[in-house]
Amino acid sequence: GAGVSQTPSNKVTEKGKYVELRCDPISGHTALYWYRQSLGQGPEFLIYFQGTGAADDSGLPNDRFFAVRPEGSVSTLKIQRTERGDSAVYLCASSAGGKNTEAFFGQGTRLTVV
Amino acid sequence: AQKITQTQPGMFVQEKEAVTLDCTYDTSDPSYGLFWYKQPSSGEMIFLIYQGSYDQQNATEGRYSLNFQKARKSANLVISASQLGDSAMYFCAMREDHTGGGNKLTFGTGTQLKVEL
Repeated sequence: GAGVSQTPSNKVTEKGKYVELRCDPISGHTALYWYRQSLGQGPEFLIYFQGTGAADDSGLPNDRFFAVRPEGSVSTLKIQRTERGDSAVYLCASSAGGKNTEAFFGQGTRLTVV
Repeated sequence: AQKITQTQPGMFVQEKEAVTLDCTYDTSDPSYGLFWYKQPSSGEMIFLIYQGSYDQQNATEGRYSLNFQKARKSANLVISASQLGDSAMYFCAMREDHTGGGNKLTFGTGTQLKVEL
């Protein structure tokens, strides 16, 4: 597809379980970002990839959160031992790279931890 | 301190009228970028307009313009000739260039705009 694709669109999991959220960026985009948006808030930065490497992971809240982008395209955000406070919409964005290039967002994965 | 402040949680505007959505920012970085995004109820974030800190002129994109007042650290979004489809949440965001490469953004809490007939 032409845009950023995120799967699944919705995920319900039990407290303590492990989840993986997938982001398929726009083809050719070298930069990929993960954000988390809690209800009634703006998105909060989690991690930024340039190519395969995490250029900035300062937004990851704790060591239960981890993200990979092994081939410089698709990225997976992994959350271990999920907690109810992890419930949010997880947004992925990609851009062609560079500071002034527009970031295109996916529609997000709504994660609910019960 | 909040880096991005949007003081209007909700705004109403009549169709075809203009509306201004407020945004103030806080940074000590001399080089930064300011963005506005629209988020309809479907959830996707749609880029509207960008202003760089060194840009001399206010940015414009169709019906959107950014009223950039650098000394006041203000970056208000002006939507002219409002349409029903403009009803959405609007987010102001900032990129600070001292943080390194890329477009890592800090977002405000948003303003919910409702366009009425």
